[in-house]
Amino acid sequence: GAGVSQSPSNKVTEKGKDVELRCDPISGHTALYWYRQSLGQGLEFLIYFQGNSAPDKSGLPSDRFSAERTGGSVSTLTIQRTQQEDSAVYLCASSLPGSGRIYEQYFGPGTRLTVT
Amino acid sequence: GEDVEQSLFLSVREGDSSVINCTYTDSSSTYLYWYKQEPGAGLQLLTYIFSNMDMKQDQRLTVLLNKKDKHLSLRIADTQTGDSAIYFCAESGGSARQLTFGSGTQLTVLP
Repeated sequence: GAGVSQSPSNKVTEKGKDVELRCDPISGHTALYWYRQSLGQGLEFLIYFQGNSAPDKSGLPSDRFSAERTGGSVSTLTIQRTQQEDSAVYLCASSLPGSGRIYEQYFGPGTRLTVT
Repeated sequence: GEDVEQSLFLSVREGDSSVINCTYTDSSSTYLYWYKQEPGAGLQLLTYIFSNMDMKQDQRLTVLLNKKDKHLSLRIADTQTGDSAIYFCAESGGSARQLTFGSGTQLTVLP
């Protein structure tokens, strides 16, 4: 079956521009996560959506970052007034709901963002 | 906050065993994971271990957990060139469902 898909795969933008990154989770996965992978660093959690609950935004690095999830499916991560330090690979993951069980997160291939 | 640390590089000869180590600080970690990232590909879950276990074996993979020392390791037996990749240790626990990742270990398998 189809996995998590992300678009675009690569994005080059000028400093100060806004960008939108898209994630299509696996059908039926109600949990969706955004992570950022910067060069030489591990993955950094950004935001988590679970069903209709309020998202956990505790990982967003600044108010220039926002995300939404429409209809409990597709999610868009928006970065306003991009800075060079925003250059990274942005990864999306989705998982099934559940409690007290392992939450296997399935990752998409990522969007490589380069801010010039 | 929570922290997960790994060494950055490991090189082994084809056919040898590889051992990738990880330490973590969150004592409430419930699950610990190993993910593999190949060039240009997304992360793939290799295996996981629940915090009340100390060992898990899955074919060529052996995970050892020392909860007292907060130390996790991944052993790959009979390492092959196809095992060359970045291996990430991650943990989740408490009320948080998001994963906290280490910086990844680049495994290079030499012929």
